Amino acid sequence: NAGVTQTPKFQVLKTGQSMTLQCAQDMNHNSMYWYRQDPGMGLRLIYYSASEGTTDKGEVPNGYNVSRLNKREFSLRLESAAPSQTSVYFCASSAIQGETNEKLFFGSGTQLSVL
Amino acid sequence: TQLLEQSPQFLSIQEGENLTVYCNSSSVFSSLQWYRQEPGEGPVLLVTVVTGGEVKKLKRLTFQFGDARKDSSLHITAAQPGDTGLYLCAGAPGNQFYFGTGTSLTVIP
Repeated sequence: NAGVTQTPKFQVLKTGQSMTLQCAQDMNHNSMYWYRQDPGMGLRLIYYSASEGTTDKGEVPNGYNVSRLNKREFSLRLESAAPSQTSVYFCASSAIQGETNEKLFFGSGTQLSVL
Repeated sequence: TQLLEQSPQFLSIQEGENLTVYCNSSSVFSSLQWYRQEPGEGPVLLVTVVTGGEVKKLKRLTFQFGDARKDSSLHITAAQPGDTGLYLCAGAPGNQFYFGTGTSLTVIP
């Protein structure tokens, strides 16, 4: 079972360039999330989608946009990359948001460097 | 300011030792979760604690939820090299799932 698949695994950008991180899940989950992970900061929520057709801002949404293309796919776009966006990005999904026993399933991450 | 603070941030111990990791917040959570993350991978859920005062055991790992549901602890007995990794607590006070700052554990053989 693939679970949550993220592409690419590694990316180097120059300041000002744009790119889209792709995420797909094959577990028929309703909710999907984008996190960034920086040393000493744990995981911080960028955007989430509680269900197909809806998206909401998380803790650190500035500089990012998202698209919930369909139930399976949730993409994250950097319109004009900045060095502060150098990080490891994780996509996650869960069956139903808000349930007490909600369990997040994560992809293996995208390591992004902005020079 | 992080909603969930973990301590210690780094921990390096010898195989066979015991350790405790703490997760604290000023907010009340309906539940808290613990995840473990290995290098190059995403976090994987270990356990969910729901009731204040609840204790759950997973082999040599013991998880406790504080009575006031604002904090949690993870105790590992007789640590092994396979326990090495980043341990993260997480909770959802509303619609957003927040993660703690993480504890990086290294168990030396």
